[in-house]
Order: sequence, then structure tokens, then C-alpha cells
Amino acid sequence: QQQVKQSPQSLIVQKGGISIINCAYENTAFDYFPWYQQFPGKGPALLIAIRPDVSEKKEGRFTISFNKSAKQFSLHIMDSQPGDSATYFCAASNNAGNMLTFGGGTRLMVKP
Amino acid sequence: EPEVTQTPSHQVTQMGQEVILRCVPISNHLYFYWYRQILGQKVEFLVSFYNNEISEKSEIFDDQFSVERPDGSNFTLKIRSTKLEDSAMYFCASSEGQRQPQHFGDGTRLSIL
Repeated sequence: QQQVKQSPQSLIVQKGGISIINCAYENTAFDYFPWYQQFPGKGPALLIAIRPDVSEKKEGRFTISFNKSAKQFSLHIMDSQPGDSATYFCAASNNAGNMLTFGGGTRLMVKP
Repeated sequence: EPEVTQTPSHQVTQMGQEVILRCVPISNHLYFYWYRQILGQKVEFLVSFYNNEISEKSEIFDDQFSVERPDGSNFTLKIRSTKLEDSAMYFCASSEGQRQPQHFGDGTRLSIL
């Protein structure tokens, strides 16, 4: 019940296209959903996060869509660029503490 | 921009030896965390620490692991008797407060021989 399932494992998108990464969870106590971007040799860097009181949050080219009833959330990267090539992790934590439960990661490659 | 720093970047240790991984969290942050990432797998929570005590820990964080804030700036993870399966990237993170965004360091790669 603590799992966060992420798909796809890998994704190839052409420059200028839209990258979409999906996550699903079971634990209804989860109430904070961040996305992290990780480049090789670096730690995860917080990209954008959402709480369940809103269905969508946008920051620049990055948008989180959240569907509370389906227990799903997704990251959309608009106008994808080669510099966006990285591994993306969704995560979740519940209202009882700070532990982040991570999804399995998606390796994104944006082709020029 | 303030960042979490971790040392060393790579640690090679013989199985059965003790190892200490070090972290300097962001200076005004109050909550500190350790996560690990086995090669090719997802990031896994180990422990959170606040006010000089453990606030949460996972099943992975057994008696072989301990954390300490020995002074006002460092936060350490000690593994008492390392096993081959402890080989992983270990990430330190910190946050300003409870349920605030967590900021990660670049990790220490621990290799157990």
C-alpha cells in the first residue's frame, strides 16, 4: 500500500514534443506529491509539487495533473528540450510525516 | 543558492568495516533525511531526524545503522558492519520544516568489497 507505481520506465520524445509520465498510488493518506529530476551523477532535484486540493499545477513548461479519485498524477513537459533528458521520479508522502515514497523512475531522452 | 553537500563522493570499504557518511544540510533547515538508491533501482527512504532524534525510520534502517548530528552543521550516517548489499548511492536531504520540500545532496557512492 506504500508503493508508488510509475510508468513508463523509459521514454523517447522528439524536441518540441510533449513528455508525459504517469504515477499511481494506493495509500489514500498520501497528500503531497513532488516530482524530482535527476541527472547522472547528481542527486534528485525538486522540480514541481502538488497537494490534493488542486487538480493541476503549472510552472513554466512543467505541469502536474492530479486525479484524486483515480489516485493518479502525471507530469507533462511541454516543448521538450534535449536538456530535459534525465531520469524523473514521482514521489508521495502522507500527512503523518516526511518520508517520501518514490516511484521507480522514468528515463527520458529528448532527441534533437 | 544554498545546497546540501555530501562527503566523500565515493567511499570504498571492506565488508564488515564501519563507514561514516557525512552531510552538511542547508543552514536554516531543521529536518534531515537519509535515502539510498541501489544501482538502477528507485530511491528508498532510510530515516528522518529532527531536534536531535529520529522521527521516522524504514525497515531498511536496522540496528546496523545510526545517525548523528555531532555539531551545528554536520549530519552523519554510520553503518556499523557493512555488508555487500549496502553498496548503493546514499543521499542526504534537508527541509526547512515538517512537510516542506526536501532538497537533496549529490550523494555518496558506497562500494562494499
